[in-house]
Amino acid sequence: GIQVEQSPPDLILQEGANSTLRCNFSDSVNNLQWFHQNPWGQLINLFYIPSGTKQNGRLSATTVATERYSLLYISSSQTTDSGVYFCAVEQYGNKLVFGAGTILRVKS
Amino acid sequence: DTAVSQTPKYLVTQMGNDKSIKCEQNLGHDTMYWYKQDSKKFLKIMFSYNNKELIINETVPNRFSPKSPDKAHLNLHINSLELGDSAVYFCASSQQSYEQYFGPGTRLTVT
Repeated sequence: GIQVEQSPPDLILQEGANSTLRCNFSDSVNNLQWFHQNPWGQLINLFYIPSGTKQNGRLSATTVATERYSLLYISSSQTTDSGVYFCAVEQYGNKLVFGAGTILRVKS
Repeated sequence: DTAVSQTPKYLVTQMGNDKSIKCEQNLGHDTMYWYKQDSKKFLKIMFSYNNKELIINETVPNRFSPKSPDKAHLNLHINSLELGDSAVYFCASSQQSYEQYFGPGTRLTVT
């Protein structure tokens, strides 16, 4: 099946810093989503981005489908950005395959 | 308004018991899912239903039985619970293959 690799596995930032999270996938996909799992366990949709670039406030994402990767940019990080960031891809049949996640800690 | 809701939020039970988790979505979506998140935070799909019809069953033990009474509800019944079933179970919904929205999760602890 398709492989989804996220990097880095862990990231510690000082408040106000910027960061880039990467998601590589091993085959072509129909759909790609980024999620934030907050410290209370809720999975929050960040982006639905099978291709192209989207921005939402301090967050933006770019997916280059032909090169099989996606990037999530976090600018001016805040402590509330802490949590786990997941990339998930759908290849067929509405089945999302998740990466292992990036654990982000933002220190004040 | 809660888009995807699950009950209960926490479930503590003993090995061998049978339990159910309920899920409801008010987004008008036609597809619903169950995912399992293990202790290492890894998320994996278990089942998917489209308009009450099972379309994905990912090699889950047959002690797990999903039931969809209508397209807004997808329940998960687990028989003869084992220690290894301890996890967080997430329900999700989508309109066809578009963006999936997740419920708050149910933390199941089997003792």
